[in-house]
Amino acid sequence: AQKITQTQPGMFVQEKEAVTLDCTYDTSDPSYGLFWYKQPSSGEMIFLIYQGSYDQQNATEGRYSLNFQKARKSANLVISASQLGDSAMYFCAMREGNNQGGKLIFGQGTELSVKP
Amino acid sequence: EPEVTQTPSHQVTQMGQEVILRCVPISNHLYFYWYRQILGQKVEFLVSFYNNEISEKSEIFDDQFSVERPDGSNFTLKIRSTKLEDSAMYFCASWEAQGGPGNTIYFGEGSWLTVV
Repeated sequence: AQKITQTQPGMFVQEKEAVTLDCTYDTSDPSYGLFWYKQPSSGEMIFLIYQGSYDQQNATEGRYSLNFQKARKSANLVISASQLGDSAMYFCAMREGNNQGGKLIFGQGTELSVKP
Repeated sequence: EPEVTQTPSHQVTQMGQEVILRCVPISNHLYFYWYRQILGQKVEFLVSFYNNEISEKSEIFDDQFSVERPDGSNFTLKIRSTKLEDSAMYFCASWEAQGGPGNTIYFGEGSWLTVV
């Protein structure tokens, strides 16, 4: 079974609009962390935002926010005021607390295209 | 901001040859990783390394692969007898393994391996 599911292979958004990228996860571990990474066409993986399972508030980092709904096991990324430079692949990932080695499990990714 | 560095950025190799990919993790980090991303696919965990030994490995990480930390700074992935299907982007990552911002796993810019 998939531990991280991103159901949107591709998304389009108009420049300056907000966009939500979906991510659902599956774990029985009460302690876990959720990450979003951006991968532009150049290939590098850029860390965007982190949410811990015990965090009381949704994480925010500049134009990025994470809509964390624990009961629904979803961790959607919201990008406000989209810019052309936001066009990239976006990956949701999870680290389970019982995994001492801290490895990340990635979703399939969502390709975001920002239209001028 | 500290960063993970990888060399080479791109390598082309003949099928059957051995390849060594090099990484310099962030200096105070404790866990090191190799991930693989076949073109157009999701990022897959290969191996984690802690305290000079393998902490965890995936089923992808068979006898063809090995990792080592030959000195205090470098972390290498060796791929023996390369196959066409080894063509992928290989990411090195490191993790401080402490709370707060240290929860973030940082990735290098990747090494593109093309096997011909």
